Amino acid sequence: SQTIHQWPATLVQPVGSPLSLECTVEGTSNPNLYWYRQAAGRGLQLLFYSVGIGQISSEVPQNLSASRPQDRQFILSSKKLLLSDSGFYLCAWSDPRQGRWGYTFGSGTRLTVV
Amino acid sequence: AQSVTQLGSHVSVSEGALVLLRCNYSSSVPPYLFWYVQYPNQGLQLLLKYTSAATLVKGINGFEAEFKKSETSFHLTKPSAHMSDAAEYFCAVSDAGGSTLGRLYFGRGTQLTVWP
Repeated sequence: SQTIHQWPATLVQPVGSPLSLECTVEGTSNPNLYWYRQAAGRGLQLLFYSVGIGQISSEVPQNLSASRPQDRQFILSSKKLLLSDSGFYLCAWSDPRQGRWGYTFGSGTRLTVV
Repeated sequence: AQSVTQLGSHVSVSEGALVLLRCNYSSSVPPYLFWYVQYPNQGLQLLLKYTSAATLVKGINGFEAEFKKSETSFHLTKPSAHMSDAAEYFCAVSDAGGSTLGRLYFGRGTQLTVWP
């Protein structure tokens, strides 16, 4: 069966520090991968999605970047965090052959920038 | 273009009462519709999905939703609320249409509170 792992679960970082959040999927190949952010009262905001290794699409211009160095690995990064980067970050995957069946989400990372 | 509107950012019900969470969609292709639930500090869990089969869809935890094309709605219901149902609920529509690729477009969420 397929599983998705996301870490760390919580993170407290000072303003101006770098960020790296990792997401990996097991049990499937060539998944579509997504990074979402939830800020309080603002619902789910799609940040990046990827349909293959090295292929990243950005939905919202911002202080963050994403990379997909391996087929089932998706990384969210920042060189210098801002206070506004605080939020709950969710990784998700879908099967591109069955995209209509929806996403499976990771357990999320709570990022607090102080 | 696809979009979802969830009416009511907060819904409160008493334990044992009917739960009704509203979702209306807009889609330029035949929609695939989803309801997800999120408990505090957790990821989103799929409750149920409509993928053009039966219009009344049954999901986990006693929830169900009915697809009404004429009303462009996909409301989520549960006959009797339980304290454990307190969570945030998200409606989503896929742009897959007749293709295999699909992105999900989420509503802003509805926070369900259940009073004892």
